[in-house]
Amino acid sequence: EIVMTQSPATLSVSPGERATLSCRASQNINSNLGWYQQKPGQAPRLLIYGASTRATGIPARFSGSGSGTEFTLTISNLQSEDFTLYYCQQSNDWPRTFGQGTKVEIK
Amino acid sequence: QVQLVQSGAEVKKPGASVKVSCKASGYTFTSYGITWVRQAPGQGLEWMGCISPLNGNTNYGQKLQHRVTMTTDTSTSTAYMELRSLRSDDTAVYYCARDQYNSRWAYLGADYWGQGTLVTVSS
Repeated sequence: EIVMTQSPATLSVSPGERATLSCRASQNINSNLGWYQQKPGQAPRLLIYGASTRATGIPARFSGSGSGTEFTLTISNLQSEDFTLYYCQQSNDWPRTFGQGTKVEIK
Repeated sequence: QVQLVQSGAEVKKPGASVKVSCKASGYTFTSYGITWVRQAPGQGLEWMGCISPLNGNTNYGQKLQHRVTMTTDTSTSTAYMELRSLRSDDTAVYYCARDQYNSRWAYLGADYWGQGTLVTVSS
């Protein structure tokens, strides 16, 4: 199965600054990558699909990029509600594996 | 509005089975897939599998494929996930989610999620 590796595990950023989260696939997944946000006690929320397309209602400060094996989620102008967990997931092949997550915390 | 409402928390003994339901409303049930994801306490997300309510086709994760069965009832717009031979490490919150695809069947992610069902396996 395709292994998704997210880095760093924890990212410390100040409010108003930019966060850059990375996700690496163990093999080529083209642009078949999604990003999800999860707040404590809540279900995940779809942010990005197709590596770079924002889901409905997602603010423009969230952007995704990459293809092949290297992907990035960038959160600009971090707001208080953005400090939480983020997961990437590949949908290029079965099973649709998740990364282990990156926690964005307040610096 | 689109909603996925899951059944309530369960406590099961090791070796037992559990069946979690996920009732969909606010959209055409057979036009979207259903994915199941679980999350053990303090851990990350684990993709369990998915099902097409249109034709019943399933894809399961390798880890659980011998113990899990996903089904749907189109008459009630409800999806089900049954997990057998439960172990303590199956203790987790189980989520269902709606899978969206474009007209060329490219996957567009899981856009609506249920509230989660806590399954506790304990003797």
